[in-house]
Amino acid sequence: SQQGEEDPQALSIQEGENATMNCSYKTSINNLQWYRQNSGRGLVHLILIRSNEREKHSGRLRVTLDTSKKSSSLLITASRAADTASYFCATDANFGNEKLTFGTGTRLTIIP
Amino acid sequence: KAGVTQTPRYLIKTRGQQVTLSCSPISGHRSVSWYQQTPGQGLQFLFEYFSETQRNKGNFPGRFSGRQFSNSRSEMNVSTLELGDSALYLCASSLGPFAEQFFGPGTRLTVL
Repeated sequence: SQQGEEDPQALSIQEGENATMNCSYKTSINNLQWYRQNSGRGLVHLILIRSNEREKHSGRLRVTLDTSKKSSSLLITASRAADTASYFCATDANFGNEKLTFGTGTRLTIIP
Repeated sequence: KAGVTQTPRYLIKTRGQQVTLSCSPISGHRSVSWYQQTPGQGLQFLFEYFSETQRNKGNFPGRFSGRQFSNSRSEMNVSTLELGDSALYLCASSLGPFAEQFFGPGTRLTVL
């Protein structure tokens, strides 16, 4: 079963604009990770944010985490055509194991 | 450092057959997890191995099994294949508990 939902399910923006996608989850977590997947291929790890962190940056990526609301957001600034992909959040529940539970994903399309 | 490798990349089988998929983790990573990705169910956790021991298992029937070798390489086996087993099977490795998981390119299994 999915840990939570991602919102929106699909997003189309013009190249150069910022893209924001959100993830909600259900249980207490240790970490939340964001991944990118290009059509039908493997997942590329983008960023990990720990439950005691509120914000993290990596290049053009900014991730926030609100554990009180059980939600996270991923912001991609100055989008490029190469950012076109599906984006997933994944959480490892605070149960002492490494099982990742994935959200449903956001399909991002950057229009050149 | 080489990434996670999975073999074969593509596989076509018929119902009733069995299949074995292989995963070689990043050098030094001792934890290997397997996931199934389908359009309908999304990314679902199959099982996770650490130091040759299965530490966690998802909600899949007993036809799905796996193992890990002393060199951390892992295999998963699906017996008595069904049409619904058609999916992208992804393997991920990590250093240990609650570290980033890095994914391989996946094996695309088609069951006819």
